[in-house]
Amino acid sequence: QKEVEQNSGPLSVPEGAIASLNCTYSDRGSQSFFWYRQYSGKSPELIMFIYSNGDKEDGRFTAQLNKASQYVSLLIRDSQPSDSATYLCAVKHSGYALNFGKGTSLLVTP
Amino acid sequence: GAGVSQTPSNKVTEKGKYVELRCDPISGHTALYWYRQSLGQGPEFLIYFQGTGAADDSGLPNDRFFAVRPEGSVSTLKIQRTERGDSAVYLCASSRKAGPAETGELFFGEGSRLTVL
Repeated sequence: QKEVEQNSGPLSVPEGAIASLNCTYSDRGSQSFFWYRQYSGKSPELIMFIYSNGDKEDGRFTAQLNKASQYVSLLIRDSQPSDSATYLCAVKHSGYALNFGKGTSLLVTP
Repeated sequence: GAGVSQTPSNKVTEKGKYVELRCDPISGHTALYWYRQSLGQGPEFLIYFQGTGAADDSGLPNDRFFAVRPEGSVSTLKIQRTERGDSAVYLCASSRKAGPAETGELFFGEGSRLTVL
């Protein structure tokens, strides 16, 4: 079974700190990796995607991928209360569907 | 509108009834997905359409679930003989590109919350 694992949290960080969100996946054939943000009662929205090993930066967000360890992470620098949401890791295998983890709840406290 | 539109936003039904949920994707998006999200869980893949055809229906839980997209735009998810365990938010998403090479940027609708009493 192709699984995507995330710590459900909640992860609490103070405003201005770095939030680190982690995800592991079971299928070594996975090709691309995504982070979605979901506010309570709302639909998911894409933050970042990454295909290659290493880091990818976009503003305050950095995605990190290590295919050997089957591990992908999202770092949020200078965390803001508006970043408080559930962060969903999603993995695409060889097919069409994205497989999502359960999500990690992030709370940024002022 | 510019986004993915789903109707109804809320549906309450009784066990055993038939339900239809509708999705109108972003204009020009050829790929359409249905997901189901239960409380505290991530979205669970149900079915993927490329154009009018279902390219991957491996996520449909059983034969009570069926989806169509007859003209390659609007899609309807149909649930027969609903059960209490079907209660969830049903999310529709569309994407510009099709196939395994797509970026994976799915644009989600706000969902249809189904409650089966």
